[in-house]
Order: sequence, then C-alpha cells, then structure tokens
Amino acid sequence: GESVGLHLPTLSVQEGDNSIINCAYSNSASDYFIWYKQESGKGPQFIIDIRSNMDKRQGQRVTVLLNKTVKHLSLQIAATQPGDSAVYFCAENSNGGSNYKLTFGKGTLLTVNP
Amino acid sequence: GAVVSQHPSWVICKSGTSVKIECRSLDFQATTMFWYRQFPKQSLMLMATSNEGSKATYEQGVEKDKFLINHASLTLSTLTVTSAHPEDSSFYICSASAGGRGNTIYFGEGSWLTVV
Repeated sequence: GESVGLHLPTLSVQEGDNSIINCAYSNSASDYFIWYKQESGKGPQFIIDIRSNMDKRQGQRVTVLLNKTVKHLSLQIAATQPGDSAVYFCAENSNGGSNYKLTFGKGTLLTVNP
Repeated sequence: GAVVSQHPSWVICKSGTSVKIECRSLDFQATTMFWYRQFPKQSLMLMATSNEGSKATYEQGVEKDKFLINHASLTLSTLTVTSAHPEDSSFYICSASAGGRGNTIYFGEGSWLTVV
C-alpha cells in the first residue's frame, strides 16, 4: 500500500544551527500533513501542520514546506537547541471529513550537539 | 497538562496472561480513538480505529481476537492484549479526536508492555 517515508534516518547538528528534516509521501490523495516530535518513552507531540492548498507554513522556530509536485515535505528548525533532540515523524491524512486516521513516516532521529 | 491519558504507563506480565490498557480523553468527548503500536526505533503503526458504541476497525494484519478493543463511552477506550507473548512487548499509544482536523488529534503518553 501507499506509505509515508523519510530520507534521513539520523541527523546530527550543532547547537544554534538550522536543521532540516525531510519526508516523502507516495499517496497522491494526501491532503493534510503533520509533523510530530517524540521524545524517548513518550507519545508524539504536535509541532506544526500544513494543508495541501499551502506550500509553506511557519510556526515558532519551525517552518514546514510542502512540494506537492514531488510529494515531499520538510521541517525546518531554526537555531536548533539541545531540547530539540528527539525523533521527528511526518504523518499524513488522506481523508477529508471526520476521519483522523494518520499514517506515520519512519522517523528521523535528531541529535543536537552542545 | 495531558488531554489524553493512558494507564498504565508500563506493565510487565507473564506470557499467556491478558493485559488491559486504558485510554481516556480528558475534558473532551472522543467518538473516535486510535491505537498504535511502536517497536523500538520504529515508527508508529496503526492497529485499529476505536469507535464509540460500535465495533473497532482493525488494520490489515492485526488480529482482532488478540487485541480486543472496547470503546464503551465517549471518554474511554480500552485495548486488551489477550494471551500475551514476548513478541507483543511494545509501546502502545492511543490518540483521540476532539473534532475537526489538525492539532485536535491528541496523543497519549503511551504504555510500555513487557511480556516475560
């Protein structure tokens, strides 16, 4: 079946640098995407979302970019901090209406070096 | 504070026994809850959709007789792992929807199950 995947399983950056985490999806019907942060032993934490009618959305220190042409989205974290160290997942939803079923990508482990 | 609560946070059980995990939505009603399983260093895999007042919808490959789901109220869904085996050891996570899409999909803190 169709799935959501990630290019980089691990990413190591220096504190203060910008981080970019990538995600590819294959379901052309996907119309809604969410980035989650998961710290060790905890449940996913919402970071930012984007709908398919947008190509960019910004939050606090984070930006999500969506390229529907190549079915790719990315999460950019500005001025990465040690507290940003975690696994980051993209998730997609391809159903409108009231279905909130999410398909998760493989995850990227972000390590921030002090 | 947490808007979706799971209990227990961790549990150890003997092989062959059954274990129940609860997922509660706090301060909101959830007609739909989702159960995920996550093995170490892997992604979340959807197991089933829990529908209040009706049967759960299971994903392909998930045994409905082994993973019993009950969604008896608008704030509580339970997952029972029956006749647990060591390979069932995993991190089980639930999510609940308060309505609409986006960050109204709340995740619980997860429940670690270890079967010995």
